[in-house]
Amino acid sequence: QQPVQSPQAVILREGEDAVINCSSSKALYSVHWYRQKHGEAPVFLMILLKGGEQKGHEKISASFNEKKQQSSLYLTASQLSYSGTYFCGTPVNTGNQFYFGTGTSLTVIP
Amino acid sequence: DVKVTQSSRYLVKRTGEKVFLECVQDMDHENMFWYRQDPGLGLRLIYFSYDVKMKEKGDIPEGYSVSREKKERFSLILESASTNQTSMYLCASSLIQGRRTNEKLFFGSGTQLSVL
Repeated sequence: QQPVQSPQAVILREGEDAVINCSSSKALYSVHWYRQKHGEAPVFLMILLKGGEQKGHEKISASFNEKKQQSSLYLTASQLSYSGTYFCGTPVNTGNQFYFGTGTSLTVIP
Repeated sequence: DVKVTQSSRYLVKRTGEKVFLECVQDMDHENMFWYRQDPGLGLRLIYFSYDVKMKEKGDIPEGYSVSREKKERFSLILESASTNQTSMYLCASSLIQGRRTNEKLFFGSGTQLSVL
């Protein structure tokens, strides 16, 4: 049930870009993205509800390809504050079950 | 703001002990979830509940049980703790949701459980 994310880990220098992918073997009806900083609770970033949708959140944006059962998170001109673990998540079955992906650790260095 | 409170930040238990992890939310959310977080494996769903006294298994329910006697409280129980249950446990809550809704999850700060 768990979506698979790639890469598992990435290290960036400030100002560089990154893409995190989320892929599901089951139908994706909507996709959430969350970020967890070290020692803290995961925090919501954005939801994509429809195939083809793209959303932005400052310099962090995401796309959702419903047919391919994939979503991607784009981080541009990365900042030190972007460091953390990113998770995609999706409701399954009737919607009340909620599964998260395998996670991507992002480290931004000066 | 929604507050999800987990009773302990760190917990150390011995093999075979019965362990209770408590989670309380203050926003009248119908859904509550328990996940465990392990490096490289992400967040794996143990159990969830969509109403009082209702529970459903997630991907990894073995060795765990849950209790939801009141809407605001969702407890995770390790009947006989084992070393492979050493992990970070995260509780979350949300309003009732369908497959395409805007209802996001709110998380507690987590409980780092060590079983020796």
